[in-house]
Amino acid sequence: QQQVKQSPQSLIVQKGGISIINCAYENTAFDYFPWYQQFPGKGPALLIAIRPDVSEKKEGRFTISFNKSAKQFSLHIMDSQPGDSATYFCAASRGSSNTGKLIFGQGTTLQVKP
Amino acid sequence: GAGVSQSPRYKVAKRGQDVALRCDPISGHVSLFWYQQALGQGPEFLTYFQNEAQLDKSGLPSDRFFAERPEGSVSTLKIQRTQQEDSAVYLCASSSVETTGSYEQYFGPGTRLTVT
Repeated sequence: QQQVKQSPQSLIVQKGGISIINCAYENTAFDYFPWYQQFPGKGPALLIAIRPDVSEKKEGRFTISFNKSAKQFSLHIMDSQPGDSATYFCAASRGSSNTGKLIFGQGTTLQVKP
Repeated sequence: GAGVSQSPRYKVAKRGQDVALRCDPISGHVSLFWYQQALGQGPEFLTYFQNEAQLDKSGLPSDRFFAERPEGSVSTLKIQRTQQEDSAVYLCASSSVETTGSYEQYFGPGTRLTVT
């Protein structure tokens, strides 16, 4: 059972453009939603995260928008740069559980063209 | 400071061999997670430790997979009688539940296991 669905699978954006990646979740008990960035041969690196008590969080060029009623959240990368080319994963976890294990989406491969 | 480290970075095993993968978490982090990442997929949870206690092993795919963290720091993931379907990147992550109460998990670079 796939609890976090991510789209699109791949994305090509011109330098300076906005990259948008979407995720939808099923379990309403999830209360922590991070985004990870992964470069080839590296482990995932935490980019930004949000909790359901806020609808938006911004850190630099990266913004998470969260829609609790629709059970959806998205990552917006403003002024996309070639160095942003990587695979992005959304994830969710249920903090009230005793593990906090992350459930990941399938990933989005972003290519930013110069 | 030092991040999560894993060794070896690459491991080639013949089908049927046993392998052991090591994870050194961030110093002081009480929580440690193992994930399996198949090619082109998102990481999938395997098991979780809080200090030396293995509190969740629901993601281990079979009884050939075994993990331990005897002193609450370094962890080892062991796979017995490896099969081709075990080929994947094995990721370790650690988290501190004592600082902010949040759930940030910091990942190591992973061990790429190839079973031939």
